Order: sequence, then structure tokens, then C-alpha cells
Amino acid sequence: DSGVTQTPKHLITATGQRVTLRCSPRSGDLSVYWYQQSLDQGLQFLIHYYNGEERAKGNILERFSAQQFPDLHSELNLSSLELGDSALYFCASSVELGLAVSTDTQYFGPGTRLTVL
Amino acid sequence: QKEVEQDPGPLSVPEGAIVSLNCTYSNSAFQYFMWYRQYSRKGPELLMYTYSSGNKEDGRFTAQVDKSSKYISLFIRDSQPSDSATYLCAMSGITGSARQLTFGSGTQLTVLP
Repeated sequence: DSGVTQTPKHLITATGQRVTLRCSPRSGDLSVYWYQQSLDQGLQFLIHYYNGEERAKGNILERFSAQQFPDLHSELNLSSLELGDSALYFCASSVELGLAVSTDTQYFGPGTRLTVL
Repeated sequence: QKEVEQDPGPLSVPEGAIVSLNCTYSNSAFQYFMWYRQYSRKGPELLMYTYSSGNKEDGRFTAQVDKSSKYISLFIRDSQPSDSATYLCAMSGITGSARQLTFGSGTQLTVLP
């Protein structure tokens, strides 16, 4: 158990709908990363939050957004869902003490499996 | 061309064999190199973490990084059926927005009893 929790485990929804995925980082971790894993694209970075602020964006669609709350949990919002959004969504957390050089490692949650019908 | 290339396998070996997994990369900014193990439908689990070039050993696992060749390896000695999983290499830069991980496509390993 990595200490990172994600809910729900599974989500089945229809095209055009909106869903929210939730992530609670390990105790003390300030950074949260979101990744998408699909069969054809592998594991891809979506977005990174540090202590409530957006740090970096990867291959995240405009239909997707995220935020990190004062208690450090994070939510990934996916809207206008398409069949191609079906994937495993992982969040990972790391300590990241705010230094310019990071030696932190990322610990992954169990993921949310999203199926869009 | 992908930033990180990894042979997807699948790779099947008998129990007790030495397994060699490899990745190549093109981005010179990568400084941290990791190997994750992922069991089916589970989250990736960190196995090894290496900074810059060199070797690192942890039990049956040895990670090697050759930055001059942009090549990293993971060796598994005395492989066990419980090692059957997908192995993902991952890399990241150092500063600011470069901390996100870039993954290889994963190598599926089966260790036969």
C-alpha cells in the first residue's frame, strides 16, 4: 500500500457526461501528479499540483481540469466525455520540499478505471 | 519518435533466470531514472530509483544508468513467478516543471515455475 488513495475504483458513464476523480496524497506530501494510462498511449502525464498551485501541464485536454484543495487532496474533472477517454487514471504524490532540485520519488495510487460507453 | 523507448516484450523466462530489461531515451535533461513494477490493473510500484549515471543494487534487483549512451537497464536475478508483471522505466528532470515522469511503454514479464 503506497498510502495514496483514489476514489472511485471504477466509474462507468456515458459519452457527453462529466465525472470527478478524487485523490488523497500520502500524509505530508505536497505534490500531486495525475497520469492517464491507456492501451495505445501508455502512461502519460496530465498535470502537476504543488501545495494548491498548478505547476506543470502535460498532454491534458481542455475538457479536463484539476485542482488541489487546502487539505492537499486533489480532484480531476473530466467533461464532455468521449469513448477515447476510457482509461486508467492514476494520481501520484511526492514530498517535494519546495527546493529547486528535487530528489523526491512519486508514489502511485491504485487508480480509477473509467469506462465511457 | 518517443522520448523513452522500451521493448514491450512480452518476455517469458523460466524461474531462476536472470532477466534484463532496457530503455533508451533521447532527452538529455533527464537526471532521475526509475523502474516501476505494475501488476495487472494495479498502480505502479516503485522498485528502483537512481540519480544520474551508475549502478544501484537492492536485493535481487540491479539498476544501471549510462547517460553517455542514454541507456538504462534493470536486472533481476533468480527470477521468481511473483516477479511476473509489467515493468515500466520512468525518467524525470530536475527543476521546476520537469519533475513529471516520462514513462516507457512497459515490458510484460512472465516467469514460469
